[in-house]
Amino acid sequence: EAEVAQSPRYKITEKSQAVAFWCDPISGHATLYWYRQILGQGPELLVQFQDESVVDDSQLPKDRFSAERLKGVDSTLKIQPAELGDSAMYLCASSSWTSRDTQYFGPGTRLTVL
Amino acid sequence: GIQVEQSPPDLILQEGANSTLRCNFSDSVNNLQWFHQNPWGQLINLFYIPSGTKQNGRLSATTVATERYSLLYISSSQTTDSGVYFCAVVGRNAGGTSYGKLTFGQGTILTVHP
Repeated sequence: EAEVAQSPRYKITEKSQAVAFWCDPISGHATLYWYRQILGQGPELLVQFQDESVVDDSQLPKDRFSAERLKGVDSTLKIQPAELGDSAMYLCASSSWTSRDTQYFGPGTRLTVL
Repeated sequence: GIQVEQSPPDLILQEGANSTLRCNFSDSVNNLQWFHQNPWGQLINLFYIPSGTKQNGRLSATTVATERYSLLYISSSQTTDSGVYFCAVVGRNAGGTSYGKLTFGQGTILTVHP
């Protein structure tokens, strides 16, 4: 069964450092999402791509976060500089072209900022 | 934006017991999904159920879209059912479409004792 791939699974960094997360969606899925989940809460959307275009980044802290999906396939989420409050689980999901389809989630990257 | 409320927040069961988890949402939805988050943080799809009833083994779900709620039933619970259960919806905007952003509830923490 096809799955969403993410790496790394765990990342520990010091504040003010740069970090990057990678996501490879299910083959053929045009829509890709990055969510952030703080401990004890539900995930919240950071950014949504349709192919290579951003369709929703209203909750992305653009002063320090950036996301790209250059060829409309895999995606990278970057934080620079990392802050203590960025410690969270970063989840990637994908779905087929219609926004009404099931979203499938990857295993996530657990970030700890010291 | 759309609001999602889940109840109860915590549930403790003995193995073999049945349970019902509830999800209330504040507006019309295009998509509703139930997830189980395992101890490693991965979100496992249980159901895509914007309306109607579905069953998968010991799990079943019902969504009554006109009354804006969904129920997840777990029968004959097992210790492996422990974890956090999330309900998430894609709201329908004024134009009748949506961008696909899932809005999550706060989750129900289920603990099943042997």
